[in-house]
Amino acid sequence: DTEVTQTPKHLVMGMTNKKSLKCEQHMGHRAMYWYKQKAKKPPELMFVYSYEKLSINESVPSRFSPECPNSSLLNLHLHALQPEDSALYLCASSQDVEGYTFGSGTRLTVV
Amino acid sequence: AQTVTQSQPEMSVQEAETVTLSCTYDTSESNYYLFWYKQPPSRQMILVIRQEAYKQQNATENRFSVNFQKAAKSFSLKISDSQLGDTAMYFCAFIPGGTSYGKLTFGQGTILTVHP
Repeated sequence: DTEVTQTPKHLVMGMTNKKSLKCEQHMGHRAMYWYKQKAKKPPELMFVYSYEKLSINESVPSRFSPECPNSSLLNLHLHALQPEDSALYLCASSQDVEGYTFGSGTRLTVV
Repeated sequence: AQTVTQSQPEMSVQEAETVTLSCTYDTSESNYYLFWYKQPPSRQMILVIRQEAYKQQNATENRFSVNFQKAAKSFSLKISDSQLGDTAMYFCAFIPGGTSYGKLTFGQGTILTVHP
């Protein structure tokens, strides 16, 4: 299995809602990442987990809360988001810096 | 800090022709990796090709090849025999070596359209 699977593919949520994005990989990769991508822009790193521990937080607002329950699973919990948080959220994994595998993303719309 | 610059916001090419996408980078690292990623409308970021900085030989993957000029800090992507399926946004990316994980630094991207 050489895939990173993200669910859901699309999500519409209100500003008072709580929702979660899910990312799963079964390649044995020990690092997992959340990126945020606006249309026609490069992805921006949000969080990095290495060996299930949060290693990098790129000063992301607390309304985004990552969680890594095990080495295969990465969640992003969302609460009280703003319309400007609407974007494509990409998950990725890597075993080392030689190559990352990305999921196909969750398209999030905050209304 | 590293920077990656893609100076061509958009490019177009006829099917079966060759096109070259430009990328320059700036770093003080001696050990690093460079990548080209393709992102079609389906959204998934797909690795096209990878170059290790300490390797002199330019990487090649089928119709895709790079021209890696380390001294000039240049890393261009050549696509030969362009196909309609090559239509996508292409990102050049950089990561320092020496760690087991790290932050990919992306360029601003080049939108490539292949015309029939």
